[in-house]
Amino acid sequence: AQTVTQSQPEMSVQEAETVTLSCTYDTSESDYYLFWYKQPPSRQMILVIRQEAYKQQNATENRFSVNFQKAAKSFSLKISDSQLGDAAMYFCAYRGNTGNQFYFGTGTSLTVIP
Amino acid sequence: DTGVSQDPRHKITKRGQNVTFRCDPISEHNRLYWYRQTLGQGPEFLTYFQNEAQLEKSRLLSDRFSAERPKGSFSTLEIQRTEQGDSAMYLCASSLAGASNQPQHFGDGTRLSIL
Repeated sequence: AQTVTQSQPEMSVQEAETVTLSCTYDTSESDYYLFWYKQPPSRQMILVIRQEAYKQQNATENRFSVNFQKAAKSFSLKISDSQLGDAAMYFCAYRGNTGNQFYFGTGTSLTVIP
Repeated sequence: DTGVSQDPRHKITKRGQNVTFRCDPISEHNRLYWYRQTLGQGPEFLTYFQNEAQLEKSRLLSDRFSAERPKGSFSTLEIQRTEQGDSAMYLCASSLAGASNQPQHFGDGTRLSIL
């Protein structure tokens, strides 16, 4: 089974600064999809950004961007100009091209310091 | 609001009782997923429906768990003879079939507490 590892249980960042959250995964598939989800306290999990493994270009969504290193099986999330509203749990998720399951990491709790 | 809705938001019950949760997916989404999330962990896959067909079930889904999606719209998750270890947040998500890059849209979850 695929595994997703987030090695940083907690991270903090000063408001307006940049922070990078790490994610690695293990798979034998060559085609797959990677996602970052945000879960604010007591609120819904929402999609932040996604990356198709066949695309070499890193995905970006406004202040959020990824560093996708396929050979290293690494998929980090960079948040630029951090805002107080960015404080949440962030989950990295993997989905293979053939299966229907999403595999989630254990999450990183991000604190934004005013 | 056309997002995924789950009912109830919270459920407290005594050990040994049966509980049932409901999920209403986004109306045009034909895929529906159930997850369990415990404190400090990411969501763990339980089961998946495409329309009314239950296509995958996790090994985590013991015989006490059953899920249905009778008309391909809303789904129910029932836990029989609840145990302390069933205490968790139960999340429902839905997505469109088709391209595998379709993200899942999550509900607020049902938090189950077993006394």
